[in-house]
Amino acid sequence: EDQVTQSPEALRLQEGESSSLNCSYTVSGLRGLFWYRQDPGKGPEFLFTLYSAGEEKEKERLKATLTKKESFLHITAPKPEDSATYLCAVQDEDKLTFGGGTRVLVKP
Amino acid sequence: DAGVTQSPTHLIKTRGQHVTLRCSPISGHKSVSWYQQVLGQGPQFIFQYYEKEERGRGNFPDRFSARQFPNYSSELNVNALLLGDSALYLCASSLGLLEAFFGQGTRLTVV
Repeated sequence: EDQVTQSPEALRLQEGESSSLNCSYTVSGLRGLFWYRQDPGKGPEFLFTLYSAGEEKEKERLKATLTKKESFLHITAPKPEDSATYLCAVQDEDKLTFGGGTRVLVKP
Repeated sequence: DAGVTQSPTHLIKTRGQHVTLRCSPISGHKSVSWYQQVLGQGPQFIFQYYEKEERGRGNFPDRFSARQFPNYSSELNVNALLLGDSALYLCASSLGLLEAFFGQGTRLTVV
């Protein structure tokens, strides 16, 4: 059975304090690894898809990387508007399996 | 372009009742998936439909059912509601079977 574990569960950062979120996964046949951002009471917002080990993608202050067993979401010089829950998911066949998410709070 | 739209946005139901949630995918997307997200947890897969056929089913009881219509919109039905069915229900659409884009969700409260 596919498993996705995200750490830490929560992260408090000062504005400008860079950090990384971890997503460890076990999947029989990885078709893609996805990162989403979710604001309270809203649906997840698509950020990145990574397909193979060594792949990297960037968007503004966010950078996602992928290895054979884990993915990292690096947040560089975060701003308060980066506060959200970040979800990682793996796709195996027809479904996405999500981790529990990392709640990020960026204080000014 | 319109994103994934879900209706209603919120609703309150009583234990034992039935509920129908609706989803319209992004124009051109033929795949619709449903997820349940309990507060503080990641979304859990319920169903996937592609070209009006069920392609996958998660570990949910038979009280949960879904269907996809010729225009690719979808309905999720839940019978005999339990308190534990209270959650945010998310619909996602995708072009083919890859990158999924989510709607804003339907917040269901069972009392």
